[in-house]
Amino acid sequence: KQEVTQIPAALSVPEGENLVLNCSFTDSAIYNLQWFRQDPGKGLTSLLLIQSSQREQTSGRLNASLDKSSGRSTLYIAASQPGDSATYLCAVRPTGANSKLTFGKGITLSVRP
Amino acid sequence: ETGVTQSPTHLIKTRGQQVTLRCSSQSGHNTVSWYQQALGQGPQFIFQYYREEENGRGNFPPRFSGLQFPNYSSELNVNALELDDSALYLCASSYMPAYEQYFGPGTRLTVT
Repeated sequence: KQEVTQIPAALSVPEGENLVLNCSFTDSAIYNLQWFRQDPGKGLTSLLLIQSSQREQTSGRLNASLDKSSGRSTLYIAASQPGDSATYLCAVRPTGANSKLTFGKGITLSVRP
Repeated sequence: ETGVTQSPTHLIKTRGQQVTLRCSSQSGHNTVSWYQQALGQGPQFIFQYYREEENGRGNFPPRFSGLQFPNYSSELNVNALELDDSALYLCASSYMPAYEQYFGPGTRLTVT
C-alpha cells in the first residue's frame, strides 16, 4: 500500500527566504507525482507534475524534483513571498489502470512579511 | 474553457440523512474522481468514473455511491450520514483516467 509522508506539518519562514518542502513515498512504482497548493477551505491548484521518467519540472519560482529510487520529491520555492502562504500537498499516481492519487497530509507554509 | 465546478458550496445535514453532491467536469474530460478531505488531512480517494462506469474505488463503505452522466458530469451520494462524514468533498476531472486531474473548489459538508 502506497504511503506518502510530508514532514514537517508546518513551516514558518521570513519573506525572501528560499525553501524546500519534502515529500517521501513508500512504493517507487509510480506513474507520476504532482504538487498542489491549497488555500484554507478551498480546492487544489496544481503546481507541477513530474512524470516518472523525469527528474524535475520548473514553473516560475517553483522547481520540483523526483528521485524514484529513493522515494523522494522536493518542491523548491525561491524568494518566498507572503502570498505563498498556503498548504502544499504532494500526491503520487501509481502505474496501471487505477489512477487514483495518494496524497500526503500537506505542509502548511507561513511566510512572514 | 470552463473549469471543474461543484455544487453546492456548503451543506449542513443531520446524522442519518442522505446527501447528493454534484460535479461538472472540464470541457473535453471524460473521467471524474471524487475525494474526501477531513480537516488537517490529505484528500482520500473515494472512487473514479470513466465513461459512465466505475473505474476504481477506495476504502469507503457502500453507502458512498456515485453516478456519471452522458455529459460526463457526476454525482456523489452518501446515505445514512455519520458525524465522521463531515469533510471537504473534492471532485477532479481528467481527459483520460491516467491523465492529469483538475480539481474543483469542493463542497464543505457538515453533519450534525
